[in-house]
Amino acid sequence: KQEVTQIPAALSVPEGENLVLNCSFTDSAIYNLQWFRQDPGKGLTSLLLIQSSQREQTSGRLNASLDKSSGRSTLYIAASQPGDSATYLCAVRLADSWGKFQFGAGTQVVVTP
Amino acid sequence: DAMVIQNPRYQVTQFGKPVTLSCSQTLNHNVMYWYQQKSSQAPKLLFHYYDKDFNNEADTPDNFQSRRPNTSFCFLDIRSPGLGDAAMYLCATSRDQRGATEQYFGPGTRLTVT
Repeated sequence: KQEVTQIPAALSVPEGENLVLNCSFTDSAIYNLQWFRQDPGKGLTSLLLIQSSQREQTSGRLNASLDKSSGRSTLYIAASQPGDSATYLCAVRLADSWGKFQFGAGTQVVVTP
Repeated sequence: DAMVIQNPRYQVTQFGKPVTLSCSQTLNHNVMYWYQQKSSQAPKLLFHYYDKDFNNEADTPDNFQSRRPNTSFCFLDIRSPGLGDAAMYLCATSRDQRGATEQYFGPGTRLTVT
């Protein structure tokens, strides 16, 4: 059974520091991995999608890497801002079933001014 | 803009009183999902539709039902809500059931059970 883990569960950084968020998964049979942002009481906003054949994806200050063989993905957010404060979740799309998405519990990020 | 819409955004119901949550999409995607998310937890898949084919997760309580009358709309029915059903309910879509396509989420419905 696929397990998706995000450690740490929470972190706090001062404004301007780079953020590094981790996502690990136990089964490398995936179609893709997607990073989401969730603000309190809101739905999920897609940040980046990495296909299983890709090593990384970039969008503005965000960069996500994928190492499928080791079951790890990292989301980097450069020069963090207070507006980056949110919970960040990763989800993998399983390749060995009907394509179910398996989520991690997320990392809650606080960026202090 | 193409999007996923959920109504209402906030729903308060009484213990045992049936409630229906609504989701619509303008993306013309084949797959629609319903997730339950409790505080600080990962979203938990309840069921999904691939076109008109309904797929229930094994651990989804019988209290939860779903309908998809057409491509655009999907409903979540909770027949007899209990206090433990208070949660955020998230609707999502995906173009296909397999392959390298992503999920798109609506804003969610926060359900309170009194």
